[in-house]
Amino acid sequence: NAGVTQTPKFQVLKTGQSMTLQCAQDMNHEYMSWYRQDPGMGLRLIHYSVGAGITDQGEVPNGYNVSRSTTEDFPLRLLSAAPSQTSVYFCASSSRMNTEAFFGQGTRLTVV
Amino acid sequence: AQSVTQLGSHVSVSEGALVLLRCNYSSSVPPYLFWYVQYPNQGLQLLLKYTSAATLVKGINGFEAEFKKSETSFHLTKPSAHMSDAAEYFCAVSEGQGAQKLVFGQGTRLTINP
Repeated sequence: NAGVTQTPKFQVLKTGQSMTLQCAQDMNHEYMSWYRQDPGMGLRLIHYSVGAGITDQGEVPNGYNVSRSTTEDFPLRLLSAAPSQTSVYFCASSSRMNTEAFFGQGTRLTVV
Repeated sequence: AQSVTQLGSHVSVSEGALVLLRCNYSSSVPPYLFWYVQYPNQGLQLLLKYTSAATLVKGINGFEAEFKKSETSFHLTKPSAHMSDAAEYFCAVSEGQGAQKLVFGQGTRLTINP
């Protein structure tokens, strides 16, 4: 009963490096989303997808890319990491028929 | 765009006391509203949700929330706090018909004093 799985759990990057945060769900949910959590700011939507091949920007999309080639996976790419991207990243999935979002355990990213 | 305001970034109550966490939203149409809880170093877990059915919504762990359209509020309550309730709580509203675009409040950290 995995739900939403995020990897890695922790990551340290140097400024300018690139990396991909992985997110996979096994609930056959149509919708998937990426959020970042910063102290005192709650969670803010980065990108979301309503199905394979369909993605759109959220509130804070700059510096991040996404793609959705399968229903199960929704990776988040940082092309050139910046210290401002130090944050905790959460992936979530939900069904078109249900308004509950299921969250992964998060990835804590530090950019130095 | 929607917005959510949680009054009080930190709330402290004694064990056994009433818990009240405040949430106000901005929306011109009846929204879907949620309360999530986050324990240290974990993801978010849904406590309860309002989806335009009953205005008093009961959730897990003895929590409930009342949707008040006239006040644009969705405050979270629990009659008697337990030490295990210590966590961060987030109020959220959906943009659209599903849960793929949630707008969160800034969060309220709940501390329970023995």
